[in-house]
Amino acid sequence: GENVEQHPSTLSVQEGDSAVIKCTYSDSASNYFPWYKQELGKRPQLIIDIRSNVGEKKDQRIAVTLNKTAKHFSLHITETQPEDSAVYFCAATGGNQFYFGTGTSLTVIP
Amino acid sequence: IAGITQAPTSQILAAGRRMTLRCTQDMRHNAMYWYRQDLGLGLRLIHYSNTAGTTGKGEVPDGYSVSRANTDDFPLTLASAVPSQTSVYFCASSDSGTSRLSTDTQYFGPGTRLTVL
Repeated sequence: GENVEQHPSTLSVQEGDSAVIKCTYSDSASNYFPWYKQELGKRPQLIIDIRSNVGEKKDQRIAVTLNKTAKHFSLHITETQPEDSAVYFCAATGGNQFYFGTGTSLTVIP
Repeated sequence: IAGITQAPTSQILAAGRRMTLRCTQDMRHNAMYWYRQDLGLGLRLIHYSNTAGTTGKGEVPDGYSVSRANTDDFPLTLASAVPSQTSVYFCASSDSGTSRLSTDTQYFGPGTRLTVL
């Protein structure tokens, strides 16, 4: 099956700086890569996703890039704000089964 | 519209007891999933169902069973709970399939915090 690795496990940035979280996957058949944000005690919520026919996607302060050849994708958050503090999960799938990374705990320091 | 709901919100259970976690969605999604979330391990798939009447095993199915009698409900049963099943359980659903309208995006319920003593 698919294996998704996510780095770093924890990340602290100053407010206003950028944050980057990276994931690698193993199955070249994977074609959909969502990112979820999970605040403490709450459910994971989709923040952005990308399909394998696209190299980059942006939505306001967040963007995702995909390198199919190298099998890695990254989440970029610019101009970070304290409310961006949460755990972020990447996932990969080529069918119904999602394979999740182990999460990155992001702390934005005011 | 409620989206996807789970019950109970939390439960403390004695080892050896039987427990069913409930999940209901009103989005008419064909696919549903059960995950467990443990610190440092992320979200791991327990069982899934692509459509009513069918189910499949995920990454960590042992000790759990599911059924999908209709589109909306996908209960998860622990036949004889053990302490290692202490976790937060999330149900999710998606509109997955061959339709051009399928998005594959999974939407999560609020979770059930289960403690097995």
